[in-house]
Amino acid sequence: GAGVSQSPRYKVAKRGQDVALRCDPISGHVSLFWYQQALGQGPEFLTYFQNEAQLDKSGLPSDRFFAERPEGSVSTLKIQRTQQEDSAVYLCASSSSGTGWAETQYFGPGTRLLVL
Amino acid sequence: KQEVTQIPAALSVPEGENLVLNCSFTDSAIYNLQWFRQDPGKGLTSLLLIQSSQREQTSGRLNASLDKSSGRSTLYIAASQPGDSATYLCAVKGYTGTASKLTFGTGTRLQVTL
Repeated sequence: GAGVSQSPRYKVAKRGQDVALRCDPISGHVSLFWYQQALGQGPEFLTYFQNEAQLDKSGLPSDRFFAERPEGSVSTLKIQRTQQEDSAVYLCASSSSGTGWAETQYFGPGTRLLVL
Repeated sequence: KQEVTQIPAALSVPEGENLVLNCSFTDSAIYNLQWFRQDPGKGLTSLLLIQSSQREQTSGRLNASLDKSSGRSTLYIAASQPGDSATYLCAVKGYTGTASKLTFGTGTRLQVTL
């Protein structure tokens, strides 16, 4: 596709519900990243995939957060038993390889999650 | 752990003014530094990427400099326009941990008034 797309754009969940956020990276991009952006803050790294392999999940805040990319393209970030502190914008980014010196990550519009 | 700080947090200037946004980082072992723009409700748009071996990059009215040894970068915007109003984020890509991940500052919210 022309860019990174994410769905849904907005999600309201009741505390304790499970949610699934989808990311469609740019076609052919090897690397995919998830970031969490709280209100008034910069994005913070959550996890990183190279193709279908999850190479780094050090930023996932708890075991309620789970991400997958089973076929090396579309990725899903799942949050179980949502809490109010999970309210944030979740950004997805992709890049053609992910380790290059002059590598640009291309970001999607984000999913704004509000947990009530 | 890499920490990125941006000053000021918010800035309001009249149209036509030149301005400078500042970014500092604690660990100078970086691959590159990138400046992004974020509009409300939208994702991040890359403005300039400076490799660790470079001192500056220019694109149109934007000029970004990098002083890796002192852990500083500046984004210079010439002849500001109302359309420049947005949040500007700097981010560094480091050597430690996952080389590809970006560490962001908290951003500078810029408003350019008529």
